[in-house]
Amino acid sequence: SQQGEEDPQALSIQEGENATMNCSYKTSINNLQWYRQNSGRGLVHLILIRSNEREKHSGRLRVTLDTSKKSSSLLITASRAADTASYFCATAKGGANNLFFGTGTRLTVIP
Amino acid sequence: DGGITQSPKYLFRKEGQNVTLSCEQNLNHDAMYWYRQDPGQGLRLIYYSQIVNDFQKGDIAEGYSVSREKKESFPLTVTSAQKNPTAFYLCASSARLAEFSTDTQYFGPGTRLTVL
Repeated sequence: SQQGEEDPQALSIQEGENATMNCSYKTSINNLQWYRQNSGRGLVHLILIRSNEREKHSGRLRVTLDTSKKSSSLLITASRAADTASYFCATAKGGANNLFFGTGTRLTVIP
Repeated sequence: DGGITQSPKYLFRKEGQNVTLSCEQNLNHDAMYWYRQDPGQGLRLIYYSQIVNDFQKGDIAEGYSVSREKKESFPLTVTSAQKNPTAFYLCASSARLAEFSTDTQYFGPGTRLTVL
């Protein structure tokens, strides 16, 4: 299966701290995307990193990609209570625009 | 407003009944997708469609059916053959066709189906 796996499954931090989530996958990819899901809601796209990129920033988000290790990390700096959500990585492989989602990291930011 | 909508938000069904979940988008996207999410789990692909009048099975298509008669609409029918249909169902769409494989997917708010 190409499905990614996030680590840790759950993470609880204080507001203002940084949160780091990791994602590992099994096969070669075209790109890797991170999504956020608030409880009981749809997913919202956060950031996409292509296989030839190593790092990407968007506001308080920083994503890294190591294709040799088949892994990615999502860093949220200066976390806020509103960042509380589940975060999923999703990989895309050439030939079809289908995404394979990981099982998610549930982040809780304590005010 | 542009976006993707799903209805209803909550749906209850008796065992043995078929039920259809609606998904509509006004983003002019070619591709549409249906996912199933179980508690504490990631998303699993049920069906996807890259163009009108065409659709493909995903990883867990058994017990489900879809149609794509219009670009804007991609309804999902959960049939009585689906053994464990209680789940959260998410519809998504993306702009480009398969070969580009770089576009993000935009999700609807989801439909929570409960079988009584």
